[in-house]
Amino acid sequence: AQSVTQLGSHVSVSEGALVLLRCNYSSSVPPYLFWYVQYPNQGLQLLLKYTSAATLVKGINGFEAEFKKSETSFHLTKPSAHMRDAAEYFCAVSDPGTASKLTFGTGTRLQVTL
Amino acid sequence: EPEVTQTPSHQVTQMGQEVILRCVPISNHLYFYWYRQILGQKVEFLVSFYNNEISEKSEIFDDQFSVERPDGSNFTLKIRSTKLEDSAMYFCASSAGQFYNSPLHFGNGTRLTVT
Repeated sequence: AQSVTQLGSHVSVSEGALVLLRCNYSSSVPPYLFWYVQYPNQGLQLLLKYTSAATLVKGINGFEAEFKKSETSFHLTKPSAHMRDAAEYFCAVSDPGTASKLTFGTGTRLQVTL
Repeated sequence: EPEVTQTPSHQVTQMGQEVILRCVPISNHLYFYWYRQILGQKVEFLVSFYNNEISEKSEIFDDQFSVERPDGSNFTLKIRSTKLEDSAMYFCASSAGQFYNSPLHFGNGTRLTVT
């Protein structure tokens, strides 16, 4: 069975600081990995995805993530946080056979302070 | 940009009552899904639906749950006899295909409260 673990349920950074949200995966086959963002009272929006092409994946809103097989990690980063980045972020994994059934992590709430 | 829309945004029901959650997927999408998120917990897969039948379901999706695509646009989740533990945010999603180049598009969710 596939799973993802997100370390840190809450992360707080200052505006302009580096954002690092951690995700480690477990999968018996090379996985597809995703990051989703959920703004208050909204649905889940895809930030970026890894599908076995380039290991450094760039997404929307200046976010990127790097797939590291040796570390079974897919951490999400952004060089400079904005207030509007405050949201809940979910890492998810799927079986490459079908990218439709996602297994989500527990989420990390990002707080951005002045 | 096309959106997945869900109604109602919040539904309150009494234990034992039937409830129907409604979704309008993106019009050219062929695959449909329900996920749920109990407060403070993970987003969990419930069911996927393609070609007018369930393609996969989780162990959560027991006989109390059913899905239907009654016409060309709506996709519904019915809970026959609600329990307190069904209280959650229910997300509908759709995708054009089943593979990596067809990401899921989620609706804003329906918050179901069972009292």
